[in-house]
Amino acid sequence: EQQVQQSPASLVLQEAENAELQCSFSIFTNQVQWFYQRPGGRLVSLLYNPSGTKQSGRLTSTTVIKERRSSLHISSSQITDSGTYLCAMEHSSGSWQLIFGSGTQLTVMP
Amino acid sequence: EAAVTQSPRNKVTVTGGNVTLSCRQTNSHNYMYWYRQDTGHGLRLIHYSYGAGNLQIGDVPDGYKATRTTQEDFFLLLELASPSQTSLYFCASSDTANSDYTFGSGTRLLVI
Repeated sequence: EQQVQQSPASLVLQEAENAELQCSFSIFTNQVQWFYQRPGGRLVSLLYNPSGTKQSGRLTSTTVIKERRSSLHISSSQITDSGTYLCAMEHSSGSWQLIFGSGTQLTVMP
Repeated sequence: EAAVTQSPRNKVTVTGGNVTLSCRQTNSHNYMYWYRQDTGHGLRLIHYSYGAGNLQIGDVPDGYKATRTTQEDFFLLLELASPSQTSLYFCASSDTANSDYTFGSGTRLLVI
C-alpha cells in the first residue's frame, strides 16, 4: 500500500483558475511538505506545513494531522505553474527521511 | 548560495557495468539522501546518511551501495548495473528539523 496518496493524478486548468490538490497518509506523521517539480527537473520545496494553514504567495497549504490529510491550494493559476506537485510526509521512524506521493501533474492552459 | 550539486547529469552504461553517482552539498546539512524517481512510483529512498561515515538503508537499497566520505560528499555506487536501475536519481540534503530540504538537479541513468 502506498503510504502517501495524492489526488487528482492530473489536472488541467485555464489560466487564472484555482487549483486544489489533495494528499492523504496511511499513517500519522508530524511533518508534511509540498514540492514542485518541472518535468525531469529539480524538486523545489514550496511549503513546510506540519499542521494548520500556511501561505506563501498564491499557495496555501492546510494540514489536518488527526485526519491524516493535507491540501495545497493554488490561486489564480499561471501557465508557469505547470508541472508536478509532490506531497511528502516524514517517515514514521523519525529519521528525517521523507516518503513521497506520486504527485499531481498540473497543466495550466492559456 | 547553498546548493546540492549532482554529477554526472546523464550517464549510459551497460548491464553489469560499474557506476558512481556523485553529490556535493554546501548547505552544512548533516543529512543527505539518495532517491530514485520512476513513473508510477514517485520518489523512493535508496540510502541516507546522518553525517560523514554514517550510512543508513532506505526503502529500495538492493543493488546499491553508498558512501559518505565527508560532510559535503555523498556517493551512490552501482557495482553491477541492471536495466531495472534505469531511472532518474536525486540527491538531497536537510537540516535536523527537516524543514529545509534541498534537492540536486538529478542524474538520469540508462542501463542498456
